[in-house]
Amino acid sequence: DVKVTQSSRYLVKRTGEKVFLECVQDMDHENMFWYRQDPGLGLRLIYFSYDVKMKEKGDIPEGYSVSREKKERFSLILESASTNQTSMYLCALTSPSGRTYEQFFGPGTRLTVL
Amino acid sequence: QKEVEQNSGPLSVPEGAIASLNCTYSDRVSQSFFWYRQYSGKSPELIMSIYSNGDKEDGRFTAQLNKASQYVSLLIRDSQPSDSATYLCAVKGYINSGYALNFGKGTSLLVTP
Repeated sequence: DVKVTQSSRYLVKRTGEKVFLECVQDMDHENMFWYRQDPGLGLRLIYFSYDVKMKEKGDIPEGYSVSREKKERFSLILESASTNQTSMYLCALTSPSGRTYEQFFGPGTRLTVL
Repeated sequence: QKEVEQNSGPLSVPEGAIASLNCTYSDRVSQSFFWYRQYSGKSPELIMSIYSNGDKEDGRFTAQLNKASQYVSLLIRDSQPSDSATYLCAVKGYINSGYALNFGKGTSLLVTP
């Protein structure tokens, strides 16, 4: 079974704080993704990574950065948290098997910025 | 921006009925399609993938794909109250410099006892 772990289920931060959200996998998957999910807006892709030290912008990268120093860990960084970044953050990775592109999600981190 | 459209619902069906969920997409060259189920407060869970035109069955679930019409659907037979959730349609597409999934906003399904 694919296992994706996110560092926190719930997080409360203050405006202006630097926030780190961590995503860890226990297998050798290359592709990892960060989404945010908001009511009425659905899932929106923030950043993704194909391998160590590689990153690609998604649809809404503004206000975020990412880090992938090791294959198993993909971090999302909010440089200076703002209230409009209050959201559910979901990490995902793809199955490495062949032509499929099935994505599997972590449990999510519900972030509140006050 | 490639679009994936779903009716937001809620779609209400009685227990034991067939629930039919629909999705249209704009990217003609898309080849890979997925259905996810998401319970309130939980993360999305993959339930079906489909790559070829036609039907694909897995237990009570059937995914249908029509690439010419750019249409993908999910049928749930013998619906149960435990099927009440939001169903997300996802299409593999090219985003900036790589492949990722484009998600619809989801259809809320309510199965009434």
